[in-house]
Amino acid sequence: NAGVTQTPKFRILKIGQSMTLQCTQDMNHNYMYWYRQDPGMGLKLIYYSVGAGITDKGEVPNGYNVSRSTTEDFPLRLELAAPSQTSVYFCASTGGHQPQHFGDGTRLSIL
Amino acid sequence: QKEVEQNSGPLSVPEGAIASLNCTYSDRGSQSFFWYRQYSGKSPELIMFIYSNGDKEDGRFTAQLNKASQYVSLLIRDSQPSDSATYLCAVNESPDAGKSTFGDGTTLTVKP
Repeated sequence: NAGVTQTPKFRILKIGQSMTLQCTQDMNHNYMYWYRQDPGMGLKLIYYSVGAGITDKGEVPNGYNVSRSTTEDFPLRLELAAPSQTSVYFCASTGGHQPQHFGDGTRLSIL
Repeated sequence: QKEVEQNSGPLSVPEGAIASLNCTYSDRGSQSFFWYRQYSGKSPELIMFIYSNGDKEDGRFTAQLNKASQYVSLLIRDSQPSDSATYLCAVNESPDAGKSTFGDGTTLTVKP
């Protein structure tokens, strides 16, 4: 079982570049999330989705965009990368009042 | 702003001792409560979940929930060095069934 798959695992970007972090899940979960985790800190919610075609902002959405065209995929887009976006990004999914399943994360550095 | 707060760490216990991790939450209507373990450089993984008041035991782990006091805890008995990790408390908001608010985590070190 693949669960939640994130790509890439590591990436270095230059300031001002753009990129898309990919996330796909094979558990038919309605809910999907993007978090960022800075060193020594907890998880901060960037965006979430309760189903295909529905997305909403979390706690720290500025500088990011998402889309949810299918149940399986929930890509996160960074436009005009800034050093403050250097972080570890986790994608997660759940079926509702259930635990979240996390991907392995993407380590992103903006230089 | 819904909040989840965990006891500040780091927490250090000797091998074989009981480790006690605590979490309070602000949303009185919260319905689902989770404890995740996160090893350094890894993603969070579920340890325990609890939905009803009282205790829930799974091996060396016991989750305790007191909705009246808005308090959830995790006890780790016979702590092992492999339990050394950061423990994240997560609370599902109501009425959004799927959305969790996470605490900042408590880092536990179990010393041999």
